[in-house]
Amino acid sequence: EAGVAQSPRYKIIEKRQSVAFWCNPISGHATLYWYQQILGQGPKLLIQFQNNGVVDDSQLPKDRFSAERLKGVDSTLKIQPAKLEDSAVYLCASSLGQPGQHEQFFGPGTRLTVL
Amino acid sequence: AQSVTQLGSHVSVSEGALVLLRCNYSSSVPPYLFWYVQYPNQGLQLLLKYTSAATLVKGINGFEAEFKKSETSFHLTKPSAHMSDAAEYFCAVSERGGSQGNLIFGKGTKLSVKP
Repeated sequence: EAGVAQSPRYKIIEKRQSVAFWCNPISGHATLYWYQQILGQGPKLLIQFQNNGVVDDSQLPKDRFSAERLKGVDSTLKIQPAKLEDSAVYLCASSLGQPGQHEQFFGPGTRLTVL
Repeated sequence: AQSVTQLGSHVSVSEGALVLLRCNYSSSVPPYLFWYVQYPNQGLQLLLKYTSAATLVKGINGFEAEFKKSETSFHLTKPSAHMSDAAEYFCAVSERGGSQGNLIFGKGTKLSVKP
């Protein structure tokens, strides 16, 4: 079974530029998560989708971050404009999304450096 | 609100020695608990999870963890460390019965294994 795919793996941009990340979850997984992992910290949830609907985006900085999952499969996360403090690894995860099925499978992440 | 505290950001052991990584949680309801491992430049991989009445949980690669409700702890152990165990380990909590399955992560503990 293929795992969670993410691209690009690395991205370097200057502040105030925009950037987009892509995630393709495991086939059949209804729930998709985007996490931000700042160096030296644990991952922090940014947004959670159930199929193509948003379940939780309470920690997403909506003035600059946006995410979509239009067809309930793959997803994109965008930052516009980027700030220095956005430098982090952005992890995508997916799960079956059924009651009691809490195991999340993680992709390799996209490492973003904002200069 | 749920939270996770991992004691020790860095633990160093000799090859063959006992590995003990500490995790304490706070939750208003009995939670689901997880340990994930992250190798350099990779995503998180599930080691083990606690979701039931069995308080001693066995995971992959010889790791196990014991849920102690009275101590609100879920420490990770391995009897004999191997060089390949060097990685960062994250403890996470999810609210039992929560529909979202959101994970709250600790800050992580980096394990070094000396030959």
